[in-house]
Amino acid sequence: AQTVTQSQPEMSVQEAETVTLSCTYDTSESDYYLFWYKQPPSRQMILVIRQEAYKQQNATENRFSVNFQKAAKSFSLKISDSQLGDAAMYFCAYRNPNDMRFGAGTRLTVKP
Amino acid sequence: DVKVTQSSRYLVKRTGEKVFLECVQDMDHENMFWYRQDPGLGLRLIYFSYDVKMKEKGDIPEGYSVSREKKERFSLILESASTNQTSMYLCASSLSQGETQYFGPGTRLLVL
Repeated sequence: AQTVTQSQPEMSVQEAETVTLSCTYDTSESDYYLFWYKQPPSRQMILVIRQEAYKQQNATENRFSVNFQKAAKSFSLKISDSQLGDAAMYFCAYRNPNDMRFGAGTRLTVKP
Repeated sequence: DVKVTQSSRYLVKRTGEKVFLECVQDMDHENMFWYRQDPGLGLRLIYFSYDVKMKEKGDIPEGYSVSREKKERFSLILESASTNQTSMYLCASSLSQGETQYFGPGTRLLVL
């Protein structure tokens, strides 16, 4: 069975600095999708960024980018120029046609 | 914007009661999902559905059932609620299997 591991339960970053959240996954599939979702306190989960496994180019969305290492099965999220509004739980997720899995989450604190 | 709504934000039930959690999406999405979210465990998939009247078990289906009679509505049923089903329940929908999931606000269920 596929698993998704987020090894950092908590992270903190100074406002305007850069932080990287780690995610590794285990799969025998070649075709799948990877996601980072953000869940602010008491608010709905929303997508941060999405990566298709067949694409070698790392996805980017404004201040958010990923480092996708397919062979290593690693999918880290980099947040640049961190803002107070980035404080949230971040979940890494994996999807193939028959399965959907989330990591346990990383709680990010942003210090002013 | 996609809107996913859940019937209740907070719910308190007694052990042994039958509990219905409803989820409605307004974007004609094919896929719908039910998760439970517990601290330190992330999101765990209970059931998902690719189409009307279709359902697939996720990781933790025991004690739960689902119903999808209409495309926009996906119901989660706790046949006989137990205290270990106290949790946050999240519903999500997506257009297709590789696309972004859109989440509802969640239902926090307390079983006494």
